[in-house]
Amino acid sequence: DTAVSQTPKYLVTQMGNDKSIKCEQNLGHDTMYWYKQDSKKFLKIMFSYNNKELIINETVPNRFSPKSPDKAHLNLHINSLELGDSAVYFCASSPNRGTDTQYFGPGTRLTVL
Amino acid sequence: SQQGEEDPQALSIQEGENATMNCSYKTSINNLQWYRQNSGRGLVHLILIRSNEREKHSGRLRVTLDTSKKSSSLLITASRAADTASYFCATDAATDSWGKLQFGAGTQVVVTP
Repeated sequence: DTAVSQTPKYLVTQMGNDKSIKCEQNLGHDTMYWYKQDSKKFLKIMFSYNNKELIINETVPNRFSPKSPDKAHLNLHINSLELGDSAVYFCASSPNRGTDTQYFGPGTRLTVL
Repeated sequence: SQQGEEDPQALSIQEGENATMNCSYKTSINNLQWYRQNSGRGLVHLILIRSNEREKHSGRLRVTLDTSKKSSSLLITASRAADTASYFCATDAATDSWGKLQFGAGTQVVVTP
């Protein structure tokens, strides 16, 4: 019955590798987000999709590419991983693209060695 | 820089005491939200206060908003050990209808029995 789920929960990988994080929501929401939380707990938005359409694209290296196959899924693919990519990545969803309550997934802790 | 900034960064209290934390922001907003993050978990929405509201209650939580000072406070009354968590305020920009929330670095609250 998990509302917003992410896989994997932990991801440890070497520099230069390519990895993906998957996110699914079963809330019937139209809008999904990816956030990055750094070691100091700053949470910064990266991307947002509304009904499979990209609506927010913050200043993020183009090694990061979101993909939304349908409005219930938003995946994040990262190419050529760097040490600075180590962080916790959170997926979230909200009913629509307005500034409504957002529902967060449990996070994916990415460690780049 | 972050739109919302919480103060204090950390707060340690005993069970039964009240905990107050503040959030300041820079630009005009549509609403302000407070979230809680337990260690190693995702963020959980606590309360949303709109720019035309001054105070809101939810259970043991009381939120105030002063748009003239661009600040908000979160009060947790009769704290419990289970309230131990980080608390974040999140704001949107009044000119932004895309759901782009900006989070502060949070206040880490420790409630000891």
